[in-house]
Amino acid sequence: SQQGEEDPQALSIQEGENATMNCSYKTSINNLQWYRQNSGRGLVHLILIRSNEREKHSGRLRVTLDTSKKSSSLLITASRAADTASYFCATVLSGGSYIPTFGRGTSLIVHP
Amino acid sequence: EPEVTQTPSHQVTQMGQEVILRCVPISNHLYFYWYRQILGQKVEFLVSFYNNEISEKSEIFDDQFSVERPDGSNFTLKIRSTKLEDSAMYFCASQTGTTPFGTDTQYFGPGTRLTVL
Repeated sequence: SQQGEEDPQALSIQEGENATMNCSYKTSINNLQWYRQNSGRGLVHLILIRSNEREKHSGRLRVTLDTSKKSSSLLITASRAADTASYFCATVLSGGSYIPTFGRGTSLIVHP
Repeated sequence: EPEVTQTPSHQVTQMGQEVILRCVPISNHLYFYWYRQILGQKVEFLVSFYNNEISEKSEIFDDQFSVERPDGSNFTLKIRSTKLEDSAMYFCASQTGTTPFGTDTQYFGPGTRLTVL
């Protein structure tokens, strides 16, 4: 897999359901960030999780990081139609360079 | 709430022409970034800028690209001789703090859609 690759590519759920998106990466990271992008708009930062952290919460968002499996997940609980967007993870590798690598994203559709 | 702004929202140019994309970062931010996103593809990092110099740049950011902070408020991306493959959305971002990507939240602008004909 590529560095920072999300799955599924697309997710369609009903309002009120939970949505889980995953991000896998290949090499050791300094940190991983999740972003949301509404169609044709800029990215909105959601959560940053550092390599020494395992879980972070922000409102209805929960991010986990498993460095042994080189993967992260983003859980959106009690989804709303307004959560419809693309969600990207971006990884910053450990070792000094701060060039981030983005995944292709998960397209989430929440039906009202 | 302060926000990053970008102008123009859409730029159409002929191949070989020079374009300048403009960004006004959030006023107390110190780190500035340019990214691009070709339609349907990943967001790609181009360059980061701090203390009036380039901090990091990707392989995409070749000699055709340059960045400048001419007046303490604007942050510009210049493409000297555009190619068809430069057609993309270009996003500017800024962050507070003095350590680069990942330590502090980056705030993104709405983007400039560049179309090269």
